[in-house]
Amino acid sequence: DAGVIQSPRHEVTEMGQEVTLRCKPISGHDYLFWYRQTMMRGLELLIYFNNNVPIDDSGMPEDRFSAKMPNASFSTLKIQPSEPRDSAVYFCASSSGGSLNQPQHFGDGTRLSIL
Amino acid sequence: KQEVTQIPAALSVPEGENLVLNCSFTDSAIYNLQWFRQDPGKGLTSLLLIQSSQREQTSGRLNASLDKSSGRSTLYIAASQPGDSATYLCAVSGTGNQFYFGTGTSLTVIP
Repeated sequence: DAGVIQSPRHEVTEMGQEVTLRCKPISGHDYLFWYRQTMMRGLELLIYFNNNVPIDDSGMPEDRFSAKMPNASFSTLKIQPSEPRDSAVYFCASSSGGSLNQPQHFGDGTRLSIL
Repeated sequence: KQEVTQIPAALSVPEGENLVLNCSFTDSAIYNLQWFRQDPGKGLTSLLLIQSSQREQTSGRLNASLDKSSGRSTLYIAASQPGDSATYLCAVSGTGNQFYFGTGTSLTVIP
């Protein structure tokens, strides 16, 4: 059974460029989460979706960040324009069961470096 | 805002020892608490989830307890093995549908 799949695994780009991170959740899961992990701030929830609808985006740091979930099997996190302080590991996770009381399954993350 | 603290930040033990990892949180209004394991370069793997109405959960050599009133949880690992070496994180989900993670405890089990 495939887990949460994220692409790319690594991304290096120059400041000012648009970055798009992709996530395929586990089939049948109705919650999808985007997290950012840095040494300084640890793991932070950016946004989460339930049945493809954004529920809470209060963790999105700035208007430069946007996330979409056009269907149950795909989500994107976009940064435009990117800045060096956006460098981090971005994780996608999904869960099932119709509530938040279920374990989250994480992808292996995208390591983003903005030069 | 919920604050989640994990102590110690790093722990090194010889193989076979039993150990306890600690997690504390400031707001007791939580839905659940989860313990995760993170290996280098990987995502998080959920180990145990304790719902707010529960006191503990067990899986194999792992036992997690929850004391909501005091804002504490512990993860007990019995008979530690080198394969247990990883970073362990706890996370609480609040009634406001927010998730807060601790900064983790880096565990090294020495053969």
